[in-house]
Amino acid sequence: DAKTTQPNSMESNEEEPVHLPCNHSTISGTDYIHWYRQLPSQGPEYVIHGLTSNVNNRMASLAIAEDRKSSTLILHRATLRDAAVYYCILSASGNTPLVFGKGTRLSVIA
Amino acid sequence: DAEITQSPRHKIIETGRQVTLACHQTWNHNNMFWYRQDLGHGLRLIHYSYGVHDTNKGEVSDGYSVSRSNTEDLPLTLESAASSQTSVYFCASRAGQGSYNEQFFGPGTRLTVL
Repeated sequence: DAKTTQPNSMESNEEEPVHLPCNHSTISGTDYIHWYRQLPSQGPEYVIHGLTSNVNNRMASLAIAEDRKSSTLILHRATLRDAAVYYCILSASGNTPLVFGKGTRLSVIA
Repeated sequence: DAEITQSPRHKIIETGRQVTLACHQTWNHNNMFWYRQDLGHGLRLIHYSYGVHDTNKGEVSDGYSVSRSNTEDLPLTLESAASSQTSVYFCASRAGQGSYNEQFFGPGTRLTVL
């Protein structure tokens, strides 16, 4: 699986937007970009995924660079409940397992 | 509601003992996965299965085994537990034939090997 690079940690103020970056310069044309998050003492949960176009859902937005070598997860209005480790993961097309890196630990300050 | 459960949630065992961690999902998903997470680290893939009687090794499979006799369950067995296997274990399941499908995780089992 192609590798991703994320900052170890980020901090945000409550009710502010948060932009979590992910670099994946070796991404192949058919790799999907996934974001999962892990709240304290819980299993990971799905946030969003995309292939080429930007994606929006009720939790977040995913902005994918035109060359697909980077992407950004956008939380439009951070809350204290958004404090978690966020994982950016690439997966090949087909039925392949997700391989997790170390992710970005997001702290939200009231 | 469909769900994925793990049992036990906490377990303490002695070095050298055998232990089996249970994972049960009610979504009827073909794909099931086992990960371990050590303190302060990301998840590492242990074993996975794409269907009944199918099993595959992940990146850290040594010392672990799985078997898939039905769609709902993928038990993880530590044949002879070692202190290095102290970790939190997460089971996950996913529908379909594509990695783009959402993967659902269980609540985890915290295993301590003394």
